[in-house]
Amino acid sequence: SQTIHQWPATLVQPVGSPLSLECTVEGTSNPNLYWYRQAAGRGLQLLFYSVGIGQISSEVPQNLSASRPQDRQFILSSKKLLLSDSGFYLCAWSVGLAGGGWGQFFGPGTRLTVL
Amino acid sequence: QKEVEQDPGPLSVPEGAIVSLNCTYSNSAFQYFMWYRQYSRKGPELLMYTYSSGNKEDGRFTAQVDKSSKYISLFIRDSQPSDSATYLCAMSAPTSGSRLTFGEGTQLTVNP
Repeated sequence: SQTIHQWPATLVQPVGSPLSLECTVEGTSNPNLYWYRQAAGRGLQLLFYSVGIGQISSEVPQNLSASRPQDRQFILSSKKLLLSDSGFYLCAWSVGLAGGGWGQFFGPGTRLTVL
Repeated sequence: QKEVEQDPGPLSVPEGAIVSLNCTYSNSAFQYFMWYRQYSRKGPELLMYTYSSGNKEDGRFTAQVDKSSKYISLFIRDSQPSDSATYLCAMSAPTSGSRLTFGEGTQLTVNP
């Protein structure tokens, strides 16, 4: 069965420090992968998505970047964190559903607090 | 205007109540509709999926889609305290591939 892992689960970082969040997927190959951010009490903001190794699409201009060095690994990074980068970061992968639609399945998330 | 509008809530109901959660959308190309449930500090989980107008039932949950009115609903019968969570609607078009458009979510609390 497919499993998605994210780490760390919780992170507290000072403003201006670098960031690296990792997401790995097991049990599938060549998945479409997504990074979302969720502010407290808010919906999901799509940050990046990837359809393959080295293929990254950015949705929102910001000081974050993403990389996909391996088929089932997706990394979210920043060189210098801002206070506004605080939030709940979710990685997701997609799977085809009946009738032609696609569902996304989410990891457990990383809660980032920038102080 | 957002493509998907979801009743913001929060919603607080007594145990056993029937709950109705609703989303409207403006993009007539949307053909696939989902409801996700998100417990506090957890990732969202896919709860219901449908791609046709009408009702789809799964236990205490019923997903309803009205494509002519661009309106979807999730009904929860005999609500339980364990149903307390944030519910997000999501939808996609055939041309959007695996990308989904999400509503902002409705926070539901079921009181024992």
